[in-house]
This record gives sequence, structure tokens and C-alpha cells, in this order.
Amino acid sequence: EVVLTQSPDTLSLSPGARANLSCRASQPIDTTPLAWLQQKSGQAPRLLIYGASRRANGIPDRFSGSGSGTDFILTISRLEPEDFAVYYCQYHSTSPVFGGGTKVEIK
Amino acid sequence: EVQLVESGGGLVQPGGSLRLSCAASGFPFIHYWMYWVRQAPGKGLVWVAHINNDGTTTNYADSVQGRFTFSMDNAKNTVFLQMNSLSADDTAVYYCARGGHNHALDIWGQGTMVTVSS
Repeated sequence: EVVLTQSPDTLSLSPGARANLSCRASQPIDTTPLAWLQQKSGQAPRLLIYGASRRANGIPDRFSGSGSGTDFILTISRLEPEDFAVYYCQYHSTSPVFGGGTKVEIK
Repeated sequence: EVQLVESGGGLVQPGGSLRLSCAASGFPFIHYWMYWVRQAPGKGLVWVAHINNDGTTTNYADSVQGRFTFSMDNAKNTVFLQMNSLSADDTAVYYCARGGHNHALDIWGQGTMVTVSS
């Protein structure tokens, strides 16, 4: 079973900064079932990226996904106040598996 | 509007049962796989179970296999999670979600809290 490891656990940045969040798979995976989700405090998760690099409907273009093999990155080009949240990567083989999450907090 | 609305959570004693419901609007279940995902307080997301688009195949996490049952009523556009033999480890917010492109979970309900405690 694929295990997803996200790093760092917490990222402390200022509004306007660039954020790079890492998701590493325990073995090489196909990019098509790799997604990124955002979860704000007290809310349900929201899909940001699917297919490793495709933005979901209504997602601003400051969010981008990249990567292949075992290493995937979610980039937020310029952090807006509403972007401070927890981010999860998700992979689907026979069932979904989630990374442990990265919390992006205000520095 | 495409949305999912869960209900049925609450406080239950260890060993008890609950039935969660997830009502969909704005899209037909027949075209989508559906999922239950849970999140214990202060923890991350954990897959619980999923069902394929026509309801013929279900898959469960090892931690709930044999205790939870995922079913659907296509006529009512509703899925259900019957949870039996509950323990404190099952305490969590339970989300239903839709599997979209490449199984990315693209629509989520608001979640329903299940608390197992005496």
C-alpha cells in the first residue's frame, strides 16, 4: 500500500509569500490519481488539484501542482489571508490514502 | 447546486450502532463512486469505505471491515453508512464525498460528528 508523507508538518509564512508543500509517496505512483485538498478550521475539505496538476473548478491560479514518480509539490504563489489552512495530498489506488497534512500558518 | 448533506451522527455508547445518511443534490449517484472519510478530533483524514457507481461493489478499511456497511438508494440519491459495534476509536467527524476526475474527492458534505462514549 502506498504511504504519503507530507512535509513540513507546519509552514509559517507571511501573506504574500510563496509556499511549497511536499508530498512524497513510498513508491512511484501514477500522477492521474494524485490530488490536493485544503481544509480550513471547522470546515470540510475542498478539492484544489487533481491529476497532480489540474486545478479544480473555481480554484485561483495562484495554486499549482507539480511532480511525478514519488515527489509532488503544491505551490501557492502568493499567500492570501484565506489560504492559511491545512493541506492534504490524496492518492487513489484501490482505495484513497491521505498524507498527514501540512498546516500553513501566519508568521 | 451540487451538494452533499450528512445526517445521523450523535452520541452513542460503546457497542452501540448508528446509521449515517448522505443526501445528494444536483447530480445522480449512478455516475459517481461515493466515499465515507472520517477525521478524529485534531487528526487527519482517514478513508473509511467507498461504493462504486452502481452500488455493486463496496470496499472498507480494515478498521471497520465487518462492522460498517455502505449502501445506497439511487431513487432517493442517498447513501448510508450503518455502523455497528462502535468503540471510542470510531469517534470522529464523518464526511461523505464524491469521487470525481481520477477519483479525486471533489464534493464533500459538511460532516456529521459521531461520539462513542459511556
